[in-house]
Amino acid sequence: AIRMTQSPSSFSASTGDRVTITCRASQGISSYLAWYQQKPGKAPKLLIYAASTLQSGVPSRFSGSGSGTDFTLTISCLQSEDFATYYCQQYYSYPLLTFGGGTKVEIK
Amino acid sequence: EVQLVESGGGLVQPGGSLRLSCAASGFTFSSYSMNWVRQAPGKGLEWVSYISSSSSTIYYADSVKGRFTISRDNAKNSLYLQMNSLRAEDTAVYYCARDRRGGSSTSCYGYWGQGTLVTVSS
Repeated sequence: AIRMTQSPSSFSASTGDRVTITCRASQGISSYLAWYQQKPGKAPKLLIYAASTLQSGVPSRFSGSGSGTDFTLTISCLQSEDFATYYCQQYYSYPLLTFGGGTKVEIK
Repeated sequence: EVQLVESGGGLVQPGGSLRLSCAASGFTFSSYSMNWVRQAPGKGLEWVSYISSSSSTIYYADSVKGRFTISRDNAKNSLYLQMNSLRAEDTAVYYCARDRRGGSSTSCYGYWGQGTLVTVSS
């Protein structure tokens, strides 16, 4: 199975900060990488697919990049509603998808 | 509007059984592959099972293989997960999730239900 490793597992940031989350795959997955946002008690929400394509309705402050084994999610100007946990997911081995362990973004 | 609504969760004793349902609306259910994903309390997301649009292809995570059975009824726009021989480690919120793209093409999950909590405890 393809393993997905996210870093950091958590960090604190302030509103207005630029933040970057990293996701690494245990083998090359081309651009078959998605990012999800999850708030407490809620279902995950798709933010980005194909490594860099913004899902409809997602604010443009979110962006994704990378291919192969290394990927990043960037939030250009952190807003209060962005404090949440973020997960990467590979779908190269569809339908056997795997998730990263999550990155919790907390308020500093 | 796409809607996925899970039901059937609850408290069950170890070794017991439970059947989860996911009612779909707002899209052509028979055109999409579906999945179950779970999340243990305070933990990350774990894919559980996949079923293709016609039910011809089914996969399970190793952790549930032989104990869980996924199925769907396209006439009723419904997805199911029959869970047998439940263990404490199966305690989690169970989400149904729809592929972002129709058919059986390589896809991530475009829509998720709100989840249903399964607690396995004596």
